[in-house]
Amino acid sequence: GQNIDQPTEMTATEGAIVQINCTYQTSGFNGLFWYQQHAGEAPTFLSYNVLDGLEEKGRFSSFLSRSKGYSYLLLKELQMKDSASYLCAVYDDYKLSFGAGTTVTVRA
Amino acid sequence: DTGVSQDPRHKITKRGQNVTFRCDPISEHNRLYWYRQTLGQGPEFLTYFQNEAQLEKSRLLSDRFSAERPKGSFSTLEIQRTEQGDSAMYLCASTLESGITNEQFFGPGTRLTVL
Repeated sequence: GQNIDQPTEMTATEGAIVQINCTYQTSGFNGLFWYQQHAGEAPTFLSYNVLDGLEEKGRFSSFLSRSKGYSYLLLKELQMKDSASYLCAVYDDYKLSFGAGTTVTVRA
Repeated sequence: DTGVSQDPRHKITKRGQNVTFRCDPISEHNRLYWYRQTLGQGPEFLTYFQNEAQLEKSRLLSDRFSAERPKGSFSTLEIQRTEQGDSAMYLCASTLESGITNEQFFGPGTRLTVL
């Protein structure tokens, strides 16, 4: 089975940094994705890690440790528009298995 | 091509009725996925197609659900004899299987409400 855990909610101040952790235990692994989803909208791709280490993309960075079954998404210089749900998803042979998502609220 | 499109965006139906949703993927993408998402949860895999072949279905998918991709382009998802528990957002996604990242591009979803 697939078990993907991430915190339910996080709150941070505009301009700050927030780190969203994700731990996973899955039957297969071909990479880990992070998606952003605003309320009522489709998930949009943020990052992809297949090898251990840090991937940086502008204000967003994602880290993966395959041996620990652990990833995090780092959001820097938070903006109000970053208020959304962030989904951790493991890609196995053919499909994505998602965590329940972390709702991030950015306060002024 | 502006991305994955889905129709309708919203559907309200009475319990026991049949509904059909359509998904148009990004044109060069050979894989098409259907997911279901309920409030406060991440998307849950339902089924996927490689070109016109349906290669995998979730064990959670009851016999009331059927999906087709007749020409390897658009896909339809039909739910027969709808139940209130079918109320959810139905998301379609597509990808190019030979792509570097296997990134799945999601459509805007069809929100189904069963009364």
